[in-house]
Amino acid sequence: SQTIHQWPATLVQPVGSPLSLECTVEGTSNPNLYWYRQAAGRGLQLLFYSVGIGQISSEVPQNLSASRPQDRQFILSSKKLLLSDSGFYLCAWSPSRGGDEQYFGPGTRLTVT
Amino acid sequence: AQSVTQPDIHITVSEGASLELRCNYSYGATPYLFWYVQSPGQGLQLLLKYFSGDTLVQGIKGFEAEFKRSQSSFNLRKPSVHWSDAAEYFCAGPQSYNTDKLIFGTGTRLQVFP
Repeated sequence: SQTIHQWPATLVQPVGSPLSLECTVEGTSNPNLYWYRQAAGRGLQLLFYSVGIGQISSEVPQNLSASRPQDRQFILSSKKLLLSDSGFYLCAWSPSRGGDEQYFGPGTRLTVT
Repeated sequence: AQSVTQPDIHITVSEGASLELRCNYSYGATPYLFWYVQSPGQGLQLLLKYFSGDTLVQGIKGFEAEFKRSQSSFNLRKPSVHWSDAAEYFCAGPQSYNTDKLIFGTGTRLQVFP
């Protein structure tokens, strides 16, 4: 069966510090991968979308970037965090055939101080 | 652009009562639609999905949803709510034609009183 992991689970970082959040998927190959941010009371905002290694689509202008160095690894990064980067970050995957549901990881709670 | 709307931000029900959470979508063709549930501090779990065919779909944990094209709705229902159903519920649909990307409603927080 497929599983999705995210780490760390929680993170407290000062403004201006770098960020690296990791997401890995097991039990499937060539998945579509997604990064979402969830702010309180605002639902999920899609940040990045990837259909393959090195193929990243940015959905909103922001201070963050994403990379996919391996088929089942998706990394969310920032060079300098802003207070507004605080939130709950969720990684998800879906089969590459399209039109399918997405499966979510447990999330990372990021607090920028 | 397509949209998914959940009109109710917060709903409170008594344990054992029936539940209906509303979801409206705007989409030209027959969409595929999902309901997810999120417990505090957790990721989202898929409750059920509609792709085509039977408009009444059954999901996990005793939930069901009915797709009504005439009303552009995909409401989630449960005949008898349990205290463990307290969570946030999200409806989702395709962001646009021919895409794997989803657009989510803003969520409905369900509170269950004993």
